[in-house]
Parts: sequence; C-alpha cells; structure tokens
Amino acid sequence: GENVEQHPSTLSVQEGDSAVIKCTYSDSASNYFPWYKQELGKRPQLIIDIRSNVGEKKDQRIAVTLNKTAKHFSLHITETQPEDSAVYFCAASLSGGYNKLIFGAGTRLAVHP
Amino acid sequence: DAGVIQSPRHEVTEMGQEVTLRCKPISGHDYLFWYRQTMMRGLELLIYFNNNVPIDDSGMPEDRFSAKMPNASFSTLKIQPSEPRDSAVYFCATGSGTGRDEQFFGPGTRLTVL
Repeated sequence: GENVEQHPSTLSVQEGDSAVIKCTYSDSASNYFPWYKQELGKRPQLIIDIRSNVGEKKDQRIAVTLNKTAKHFSLHITETQPEDSAVYFCAASLSGGYNKLIFGAGTRLAVHP
Repeated sequence: DAGVIQSPRHEVTEMGQEVTLRCKPISGHDYLFWYRQTMMRGLELLIYFNNNVPIDDSGMPEDRFSAKMPNASFSTLKIQPSEPRDSAVYFCATGSGTGRDEQFFGPGTRLTVL
C-alpha cells in the first residue's frame, strides 16, 4: 500500500524566513496531494492541495511543488509569521480527496519572532 | 453551518468499558471519515463512508472497533471493550464529494482509557 514519508520532523525558523517541508510517496498511481495544518489542540485544516497533472500551485505565501518522476512533493512557506507555527501534514491519495488519505508523520514548525 | 460536530469532546473510561463516539456531518456532505491520532502512529484513517455505506474499513484495528452510519446526519464509532492503547484523539471528517477535495475535520474526541 501507499506510504508517505515526511521530513523534517521539526523545523525552526526566524520570522520572515522561508520554510520548506518535503514528502515522498511510494505508489506512483497516487494523484492527489493535500497539505493540512494543525495548530496545538485544534483540528487539521486543509491549506493547499495539488493534483498530479500540475507541477506547482501557489496561494499567497504558500506554494506546493510536485515531482511525479521522483515521487516527491514539497510545501514552501515564504515570509513566515509566528501564526504559521503549527504541525503540518502532507498526504497522498489514489483518487482525490474523497478517498483514503495516507498521511505523513507531520512536521512541527516553530516561527520565532 | 456549525461544521462537523463531535461528542463527547473528552471521554475518560476504564479498561473493559464500552465507548461510543458520535459525529454529525456538515449538512449535504456525502463522505464521512473516522481518524485516530496518536503521537506514535500519527493520523490514521480507520473507516470511511459514502452515502452512509462503508467503503473502506481496512484501517479498523480489530474487531473491538465498529462504526455505523444509520443516516446521512449521524455516525458512531464504538469500541468494546476498550483498552489503554485505544487512548487517542478521534476525529470525524466530512466532505461534499463535489468541488474542492477538502475534508472538513470536527474538533475531535480525546479518549483516555485507564
């Protein structure tokens, strides 16, 4: 079955710096890759997603890139702010968001003022 | 809309007791997912439903776990008998099946089995 590995497990940056989180997946048939943000004690919330027919997607300070050949995708956050501090989860699915999502282990991002 | 509603928000029980977690999806959402989150195992899908029918229950850890969705506005996850290793946060998430592929998570139920 699908397996998703996520790195790093923790990431500490200064406010204003960029942060990059990387994930690799094992099943080449996976076609949907969302990123969820979970603040401490809160529920996960979707922040951005990408499908396999697109190489890059951007939404303000957040972007996701996908390399299907290498089977990896990355989350890029620019101009980080303290409110970006949270745990970020990548996931992969064989058939869109309304299917079984396999989540990575999560990255705890700390943005220091 | 109030979003996905879960109850109870916290549950403390003793080993061997039956536990029932409840979820009310967002109105009109056809998909419902049950997840378990622990530090050791991360976020795991247990089971999901489409139009009240279970589609994939391969994540249900063992026969002690069961889930039902008797109608479009209610689902339960039951653990009988409960064990300390079942302690976790259980999330229910729902999706509309149309438009953006977003799963909307509920606030979760924090279960502690003593």
